[in-house]
Amino acid sequence: AQKVTQAQTEISVVEKEDVTLDCVYETRDTTYYLFWYKQPPSGELVFLIRRNSFDEQNEISGRYSWNFQKSTSSFNFTITASQVVDSAVYFCALSEEFRTGNQFYFGTGTSLTVIP
Amino acid sequence: DTAVSQTPKYLVTQMGNDKSIKCEQNLGHDTMYWYKQDSKKFLKIMFSYNNKELIINETVPNRFSPKSPDKAHLNLHINSLELGDSAVYFCASSQPFTQGALEQFFGPGTRLTVL
Repeated sequence: AQKVTQAQTEISVVEKEDVTLDCVYETRDTTYYLFWYKQPPSGELVFLIRRNSFDEQNEISGRYSWNFQKSTSSFNFTITASQVVDSAVYFCALSEEFRTGNQFYFGTGTSLTVIP
Repeated sequence: DTAVSQTPKYLVTQMGNDKSIKCEQNLGHDTMYWYKQDSKKFLKIMFSYNNKELIINETVPNRFSPKSPDKAHLNLHINSLELGDSAVYFCASSQPFTQGALEQFFGPGTRLTVL
């Protein structure tokens, strides 16, 4: 079973529109971490945010905001007033403890295209 | 300073060859990883090493073998390359979960093309 589900494979929006990328995760652990990464067309993976399972406070960083809801096991990402530079593949990820280290599970990614 | 570096950035080779991809991190992290990203952008974890000990080994063909000479390096050796091995390979590192599961830092990727 997929630990992290990003149901939206591709999204296209017109510049300045708001867009929300969905992420649903599955875990039995009480302590875990959630992440969002961005992969622009240039190919590198860029870290955006980390959330631990005990902190459900929503976060806003400029045009980016994240909504973490344990009740629905979701960690959604909203871009406000989208720009062409936001065009990228966005990955949601879950980290659980595993033996002496940690395991990361990535979703299949959502490809966002912002049309000028 | 580059946090996680990989060499080479591009690798083109013939089927059946053996090749290696090198990875180094200067972040002092205890855990390093190798991921394969296919043409559909799906990221699949291949290996992770924690303090030079293999702790995760997904269902990866044994033609792939990680080698960690020290905590800062995790190299990927691939024997008898096949067409299906063509992908982008990412190295990453992180602190262990007990220290707060900080994010993974990724290298720039190595695009492997098998002809």
